[in-house]
Amino acid sequence: EIVMTQSPATLSVSPGERATLSCRASQSVSSNLAWYQQKPGQAPRLLIYGASTRATGTPGRFSGSGSGTEFTLTISSLQSEDFAVYYCQQCNNWPLTFGQGTKVEIK
Amino acid sequence: EVQLVETGGGLIQPGGSLRLSCAASGFTVSSNYMTWVRQAPGRGLEWVSVIYSGGRTYYADSVKGRFTISRDMSKNTLYLEMNSLRDEDTAVYYCARYDNWFDPWGQGTLVTVSS
Repeated sequence: EIVMTQSPATLSVSPGERATLSCRASQSVSSNLAWYQQKPGQAPRLLIYGASTRATGTPGRFSGSGSGTEFTLTISSLQSEDFAVYYCQQCNNWPLTFGQGTKVEIK
Repeated sequence: EVQLVETGGGLIQPGGSLRLSCAASGFTVSSNYMTWVRQAPGRGLEWVSVIYSGGRTYYADSVKGRFTISRDMSKNTLYLEMNSLRDEDTAVYYCARYDNWFDPWGQGTLVTVSS
């Protein structure tokens, strides 16, 4: 099973600032990585797939990068609606696995 | 509009059974890979099961032998039959379409296993 490790667990950021979230895979997943956003009481929502492709409706301030074992989700200028938990997920091998999440909170 | 709506959650005693349903609209369940993902209270996401468009099914080790994924073409609905439920199966269960990533997701249904 591929283990996905996200860091940091919590990120405190002021509105308008840049946020950088990391995701590491225990073995290469090529570019088969997705990012999801989850707000309290809601289902996760797909943000990024294929490591760097924005899903329909994802604002341009979200960008994904990386391949192999190291991935990054960057939010260029945090808006109030971006404070949430973010999960990475590998789709290279079964079983599909998620990271434990990074909570982005208001500083 | 593409939409998934789960139903069937509730409070169940350990060892009991429950069947979750996921009604789809805007696309055809049987033409897609469909999955169940769960989230224990305050925890992260865990993939549970998948059914391929061709009918092949796979399960996480934690539920293998106890859970069964299926679909009804006439109702355009996905199911998860859960047997021998354990305390650790307590979670919100989401259905989602799978195409290397999960999208869209239903709103989830809460299953609580407790005596």
